[in-house]
Amino acid sequence: GAGVSQSPRYKVTKRGQDVALRCDPISGHVSLYWYRQALGQGPEFLTYFNYEAQQDKSGLPNDRFSAERPEGSISTLTIQRTEQRDSAMYRCASSLAGTGYHEQYFGPGTRLTVT
Amino acid sequence: DQQVKQNSPSLSVQEGRISILNCDYTNSMFDYFLWYKKYPAEGPTFLISISSIKDKNEDGRFTVFLNKSAKHLSLHIVPSQPGDSAVYFCGAGGTSYGKLTFGQGTILTVHP
Repeated sequence: GAGVSQSPRYKVTKRGQDVALRCDPISGHVSLYWYRQALGQGPEFLTYFNYEAQQDKSGLPNDRFSAERPEGSISTLTIQRTEQRDSAMYRCASSLAGTGYHEQYFGPGTRLTVT
Repeated sequence: DQQVKQNSPSLSVQEGRISILNCDYTNSMFDYFLWYKKYPAEGPTFLISISSIKDKNEDGRFTVFLNKSAKHLSLHIVPSQPGDSAVYFCGAGGTSYGKLTFGQGTILTVHP
């Protein structure tokens, strides 16, 4: 079956612009996660949803970052007034459930470059 | 404060030999651990997991060992193959919360 998909795969934007990154999870997966990964590092948690409810947003760096999953499926991570330090790989993952022993399946990521 | 650490940035192994990748954690609330493999230009792929009620889990050539008292886990790959060359990430989580905390990764190179 289809895995987690993310779009766009690459995004170059100018400092100060807003960007929206999209994630389409595996069909039937209840939980959806956003991570950010710097070069040479592991993924770093940003936020996650069970269905449409945002369960934990403790990893969002500041209030320029927000995420939504209005119908419990596709999710959008929005970064307002982008800054150069926002440049990173943004990864989405999904799992059958948010608690218990459930592995997370990752998408290919969106490489964001802020110039 | 890095709660999950992979202290070896890289590991080089001969084909057919054993590869051992290590991971240490500090948070005693973690009770679920996973290993992911990542090839260039791809997302991390789930490899194997273990819960804290076990000390070993095996899947084919891959075995994960958990030492709770030492807060240490390791991934053994036997025998190693050139196709195993990738970055390996250790991840840890709790069954009562969703997020995973990852180590920095170890680059494994298996030489033919």
